[in-house]
Amino acid sequence: DTGVSQDPRHKITKRGQNVTFRCDPISEHNRLYWYRQTLGQGPEFLTYFQNEAQLEKSRLLSDRFSAERPKGSFSTLEIQRTEQGDSAMYLCASSLGQSSNQPQHFGDGTRLSIL
Amino acid sequence: QKEVEQDPGPLSVPEGAIVSLNCTYSNSAFQYFMWYRQYSRKGPELLMYTYSSGNKEDGRFTAQVDKSSKYISLFIRDSQPSDSATYLCAMSLRITQGGSEKLVFGKGTKLTVNP
Repeated sequence: DTGVSQDPRHKITKRGQNVTFRCDPISEHNRLYWYRQTLGQGPEFLTYFQNEAQLEKSRLLSDRFSAERPKGSFSTLEIQRTEQGDSAMYLCASSLGQSSNQPQHFGDGTRLSIL
Repeated sequence: QKEVEQDPGPLSVPEGAIVSLNCTYSNSAFQYFMWYRQYSRKGPELLMYTYSSGNKEDGRFTAQVDKSSKYISLFIRDSQPSDSATYLCAMSLRITQGGSEKLVFGKGTKLTVNP
């Protein structure tokens, strides 16, 4: 499978706990994006990496959220002190290229459930 | 008013019908226009990707963009039960650094094709 891979697929945790998700983009895709999708809504942009540099962050990304892409390959998204409102599907996407006009391809997401 | 408006449906049609899905938008800065298909508990799958006004056809799917009216459509011919999914329109906004785009999605339209 050469698509975007996300792990875990489903995470259940108690309010106040920290969680970390992993995304492996399509090989050689230097651009990586995180989105969040709640029930009945479309995905919302969270953050963007070009190689290892985090170049854009949405105001949805509160101080409790941190994302990294240390070697320009896989990325992690950590949520500290989880709250009920963090329950959502967290989607990762990747795209190729140094220019625009490159479509984003999504993984199957990590579904986070806060008890 | 949201930047991208999409009727969430649900939409139910008989097998073989022509399906028409639509989105309107308000931001003239949107550059690229996409349709994604999302099956339950899966990530969005890219169906169509267009830039300019006009039509683009791919098999049973036709995407239409009218920039003057800020309106995009997706037509599905000879619809099949396997087309049953949520269809998301998405539009891209330039990210200042890095030359990429972030996507702004509609809410999605849930389509059921009945055998």
